Amino acid sequence: DVKVTQSSRYLVKRTGEKVFLECVQDMDHENMFWYRQDPGLGLRLIYFSYDVKMKEKGDIPEGYSVSREKKERFSLILESASTNQTSMYLCASSLSMGGVTEAFFGQGTRLTVV
Amino acid sequence: SQQGEEDPQALSIQEGENATMNCSYKTSINNLQWYRQNSGRGLVHLILIRSNEREKHSGRLRVTLDTSKKSSSLLITASRAADTASYFCATDARGFGNEKLTFGTGTRLTIIP
Repeated sequence: DVKVTQSSRYLVKRTGEKVFLECVQDMDHENMFWYRQDPGLGLRLIYFSYDVKMKEKGDIPEGYSVSREKKERFSLILESASTNQTSMYLCASSLSMGGVTEAFFGQGTRLTVV
Repeated sequence: SQQGEEDPQALSIQEGENATMNCSYKTSINNLQWYRQNSGRGLVHLILIRSNEREKHSGRLRVTLDTSKKSSSLLITASRAADTASYFCATDARGFGNEKLTFGTGTRLTIIP
């Protein structure tokens, strides 16, 4: 079974802290994605990566950065956490075969910034 | 910006009835996918339809795709209580450099026993 594992299920951080969200996949997928999910807004793409050390901005990259040093790991970094970054964060991975194929999701990290 | 928009935002039906959800998108795509999300969990892939396909079936699911109208529909037949969830369509935009997978806002489906 494909597995995408996010490092934390729940996280509480203080305003101004640097926050790291980790995601690991075990299926040698090229593509990895970070989304945030807020009520009524669906999933919004923050960043994605199509190869090691390669990254592209999604629709809402402001206030975030990412790192992909190894193929299996994709990290989301909140440089200075703010209360408006309180959200559910979802990581996903997929193959790339004539388009993005089936994406596998982690269980999500519910981040609260206080 | 959101690539996909689902309609309706919420849908309640009796168990055993069919449920239809619609998705509209904005740009050319390689494929369109549908996902389900149970409350507070990650998303689970349901079905993928490629841009050169018009209809696809998987069990009780039927997906149609109309690329001329940039729209898709998901039909769940003979609904069950376990189908209660949020459903999202997702597209990968063609011709925008590397493909990214973009989701809509979702349809909240409630099956009434």
